[in-house]
Amino acid sequence: DIQMTQSPSSLSASVGDRVTISCRAGQSISNYLNWYQQKPGKAPELLIYAASSLKSGVPSRFSGSGSGTDFTLTISSLQPEDFATYYCQQSFSTPAPTFGGGTKVEIK
Amino acid sequence: QVQLVESGGGVVQPGRSLRLSCAASGFTFRRHAMHWVRQAPGKGLLWVTVMSSDGYNKYSEDSVKGRFTISRDNSKNMLFLQMNSLRPEDTATYYCAREAEGALDVWGQGTLVTVSS
Repeated sequence: DIQMTQSPSSLSASVGDRVTISCRAGQSISNYLNWYQQKPGKAPELLIYAASSLKSGVPSRFSGSGSGTDFTLTISSLQPEDFATYYCQQSFSTPAPTFGGGTKVEIK
Repeated sequence: QVQLVESGGGVVQPGRSLRLSCAASGFTFRRHAMHWVRQAPGKGLLWVTVMSSDGYNKYSEDSVKGRFTISRDNSKNMLFLQMNSLRPEDTATYYCAREAEGALDVWGQGTLVTVSS
């Protein structure tokens, strides 16, 4: 199994802040990396696929970058509705994807 | 609209069985591989199992192999998860999710399974 490690596990930020979340794969996964947002009591939602492609309808303040083993999710200007937990997921080793442990973004 | 709706969760005793269902609508179900992902209370996401679009191939995470079986009925746009020999550590919200080019792009609302005596 390919291990996915996210950092930090949680962070506190203010509205308007630039936020970056890191995800590291245990081996090279090219650009087979997806990002999800999950709000309390809700199902996860896909934000970014193939490391940097924004899903239709997702605000442009979200962006993804990286390839190989190191990836980043960036929120350029944090909005109140962005407080949530974010997960990375590798889809290199299909059909068995693995998720990172999650990063909880909280209000400072 | 594109939608997945899970059902079948509940409270069950250890060692018993439960069958989850996922009803798909708003898209061509038979064209997509389908997954089950679970989330224990307060924990992260854990992939459980997947079935190919045609139903011929399936794979499962090690801890559920031999106990959980995924199946689908493409004529009825339905996905199922048969869970046998349930353990307390299987307690979680179970989500069905549609796969598109490796990403899970549509998720159901989840159904809670509690394994407790």
